[in-house]
Amino acid sequence: DVKVTQSSRYLVKRTGEKVFLECVQDMDHENMFWYRQDPGLGLRLIYFSYDVKMKEKGDIPEGYSVSREKKERFSLILESASTNQTSMYLCASSLGPPPTEAFFGQGTRLTVV
Amino acid sequence: KQEVTQIPAALSVPEGENLVLNCSFTDSAIYNLQWFRQDPGKGLTSLLLIQSSQREQTSGRLNASLDKSSGRSTLYIAASQPGDSATYLCAVRIISSGSARQLTFGSGTQLTVLP
Repeated sequence: DVKVTQSSRYLVKRTGEKVFLECVQDMDHENMFWYRQDPGLGLRLIYFSYDVKMKEKGDIPEGYSVSREKKERFSLILESASTNQTSMYLCASSLGPPPTEAFFGQGTRLTVV
Repeated sequence: KQEVTQIPAALSVPEGENLVLNCSFTDSAIYNLQWFRQDPGKGLTSLLLIQSSQREQTSGRLNASLDKSSGRSTLYIAASQPGDSATYLCAVRIISSGSARQLTFGSGTQLTVLP
């Protein structure tokens, strides 16, 4: 079974802190993604990566950066956390191209106070 | 820009009923469509993937159909059970340079199956 593992289920951080969310997949997938999910807004793509050291902005990249130094690991960085970044963060991975089935991690509920 | 709509937003049915969840999308130039299940506070679990060349996919009590020309997909759940209670999301990948890898999601249908 494909496994996508996010480092934390729950995180509480203070405004202004630098926050790292880690995601690891064990299926040698080329593509990895970070989404956030908010009530009434659904899932929105923050960043994705299609290869090591490659990244592309999604729909809402402002306030975030990413790092992919190894194929299996994709990190989301909140440079200076703000309360409006309180959300559920979801990591996903897939093979491709061509694009195939996407698999998601268990999610990280981040609260910024 | 691709828009994905799921109707209804919420659905409540008695156990044992067969039901259909709907998904529509505005851009028919899709690569594939994927259905997911999400339990409260959890991540997404992949249910079915339909390639653009396929008309349907089946897994156990689940059957997903795709009509690309009309921009519609349905998820059919047979003999529903309380354990099927969850939010069901559909997502599409559109055919365009650089974005074929990313999914555009609908807002989901929250299903409750009553014992």
